[in-house]
Amino acid sequence: AQTVTQSQPEMSVQEAETVTLSCTYDTSESDYYLFWYKQPPSRQMILVIRQEAYKQQNATENRFSVNFQKAAKSFSLKISDSQLGDAAMYFCAYRSAGLNAGNNRKLIWGLGTSLAVNP
Amino acid sequence: SQTIHQWPATLVQPVGSPLSLECTVEGTSNPNLYWYRQAAGRGLQLLFYSVGIGQISSEVPQNLSASRPQDRQFILSSKKLLLSDSGFYLCAWDRDRGSPLHFGNGTRLTVT
Repeated sequence: AQTVTQSQPEMSVQEAETVTLSCTYDTSESDYYLFWYKQPPSRQMILVIRQEAYKQQNATENRFSVNFQKAAKSFSLKISDSQLGDAAMYFCAYRSAGLNAGNNRKLIWGLGTSLAVNP
Repeated sequence: SQTIHQWPATLVQPVGSPLSLECTVEGTSNPNLYWYRQAAGRGLQLLFYSVGIGQISSEVPQNLSASRPQDRQFILSSKKLLLSDSGFYLCAWDRDRGSPLHFGNGTRLTVT
């Protein structure tokens, strides 16, 4: 079964600096999707970035980018020029792209990293 | 554009009382629908998902149930709440396995 591990329960960063959140996963599949979600204090889950495993190019969304290392099964999130509004819980998630309908439905979630941004 | 509505935002219910949480999606048809629960300081646990009207898959056996009476409506229910049902409940939808989940604003349920 697939698993997702976020080894940093808490992180902090100074405003305007860069921080990297780590995520590793375990799978025997070759085709899958990876996601980073942000959950601010309001607790709404917001998609930050999405990566398709068959694409070698790392996904980017404005100040957010990922370092996707497929062989190492690593999917870290880099936040550049951190802002106070980036303070949130960040979750990494995995979804199979296989044809098995049951596997497709489930996202496998990490336990999250709580990010504090210091002014 | 698509939107997802979930209500109520907050709910306090006594043990043994019934529960009904509702979620509706606008701007799309035949979405996949999901109910998640998040305990304080923990990750997300998938409770139910639905790929169509009347089609419900349960991930975790418990005293909760789900129904999908209409294409874009998903309801989470319980006949008798337990203390352990307290938590934050999130409804979500997506189109297919490659698309991201889109979440509602959540319901904070406290069972007293």
